[in-house]
Amino acid sequence: NAGVTQTPKFRVLKTGQSMTLLCAQDMNHEYMYWYRQDPGMGLRLIHYSVGEGTTAKGEVPDGYNVSRLKKQNFLLGLESAAPSQTSVYFCASTHPGNQPQHFGDGTRLSIL
Amino acid sequence: QKEVEQDPGPLSVPEGAIVSLNCTYSNSAFQYFMWYRQYSRKGPELLMYTYSSGNKEDGRFTAQVDKSSKYISLFIRDSQPSDSATYLCAMSAVDSGYALNFGKGTSLLVTP
Repeated sequence: NAGVTQTPKFRVLKTGQSMTLLCAQDMNHEYMYWYRQDPGMGLRLIHYSVGEGTTAKGEVPDGYNVSRLKKQNFLLGLESAAPSQTSVYFCASTHPGNQPQHFGDGTRLSIL
Repeated sequence: QKEVEQDPGPLSVPEGAIVSLNCTYSNSAFQYFMWYRQYSRKGPELLMYTYSSGNKEDGRFTAQVDKSSKYISLFIRDSQPSDSATYLCAMSAVDSGYALNFGKGTSLLVTP
């Protein structure tokens, strides 16, 4: 049982390039989330999904897009990467209701 | 002002000490309260999970929630060097898809 798996673990991009971060969970969770963690800022919510085919904006959604085509996968896209998007990205998932979120180990993204 | 406030520390204590960590919050809609532990270059790991007000104990860890004061605490008894990590408080509400609102985290160092 892998839990929440994030791919890739590390990536370096140049300004303006695009990429997609993949989150996969094998716990049959309905809800999935993308957060970013920056020094001195804590974790902040980017986008989330309450089910297959649905997405919603979080606290810091600008510059990101997401898709939830399959229940087990949640994709985070950067269309035109900017240095301000250098961060550690965490994916999490949970069942709705009285359940805590489970986190992946993160993707470290540097944009030059 | 962030919805969740947490002193970032660092906090340094000798092995065997009792550690007290706390957070305050402003959103009265929060119903679910969590403490996560995060080691360097890893994802957040759930320590304690509490619904609404009250106390919860698990081994050396005790979580307290006081909704009337909008204040939550985590106590660690008989602290060990392996407890050295960053501790994140987090809370959520039903009407925001259970998305987590995090404090900035408190860095704890337990010295032998």
